[in-house]
Amino acid sequence: QKEVEQDPGPLSVPEGAIVSLNCTYSNSAFQYFMWYRQYSRKGPELLMYTYSSGNKEDGRFTAQVDKSSKYISLFIRDSQPSDSATYLCAMSRSTGGGNKLTFGTGTQLKVEL
Amino acid sequence: GAVVSQHPSRVICKSGTSVKIECRSLDFQATTMFWYRQFPKKSLMLMATSNEGSKATYEQGVEKDKFLINHASLTLSTLTVTSAHPEDSSFYICSARDGREVVGELFFGEGSRLTVL
Repeated sequence: QKEVEQDPGPLSVPEGAIVSLNCTYSNSAFQYFMWYRQYSRKGPELLMYTYSSGNKEDGRFTAQVDKSSKYISLFIRDSQPSDSATYLCAMSRSTGGGNKLTFGTGTQLKVEL
Repeated sequence: GAVVSQHPSRVICKSGTSVKIECRSLDFQATTMFWYRQFPKKSLMLMATSNEGSKATYEQGVEKDKFLINHASLTLSTLTVTSAHPEDSSFYICSARDGREVVGELFFGEGSRLTVL
């Protein structure tokens, strides 16, 4: 079993839709949870960062963490064509300069006009 | 935000040659940088952790003699793919975190696409 599972998609939605992206994980030691967005042929960029369980909102993006279920989600409201990208979840046991991230495979999202 | 520069963005080389990829943190000092490899529709696979002034820490299954990592300064880490073969063709990405921050964002480079003929 992989440490982090993520549906690779592709996921295609109409503009304006609410998008739900999810990851499950098996290692209960993970405490820090991140979502990255990666455009084609580019490096990932950080979208959201949460610690432990709970919700965090930033504009059209909401990240949720449920540690009891080992399940994290990223919601995108009023999706736009510019949101079309691959979304990677990532998590780590600790923070600080040397800690490693474990990534999901990424979900490819396409928002159509 | 902080910027990590990676060079070259694309490189094509012949089988048997060596290729060097540079990763620079442009406006912060990074005591630790990470090197990843990404296959199409696959996750980022951590290859090694590069520590300034000391030897890199390689992940299981990654050949340290094939993927040479040098972190000579607080702003530069290099990955050299030695005696490259077609199976080394991949997208290589580096990342770095501002060492001054306790909880710091991990910044990624733009990636380097290596094609070995």
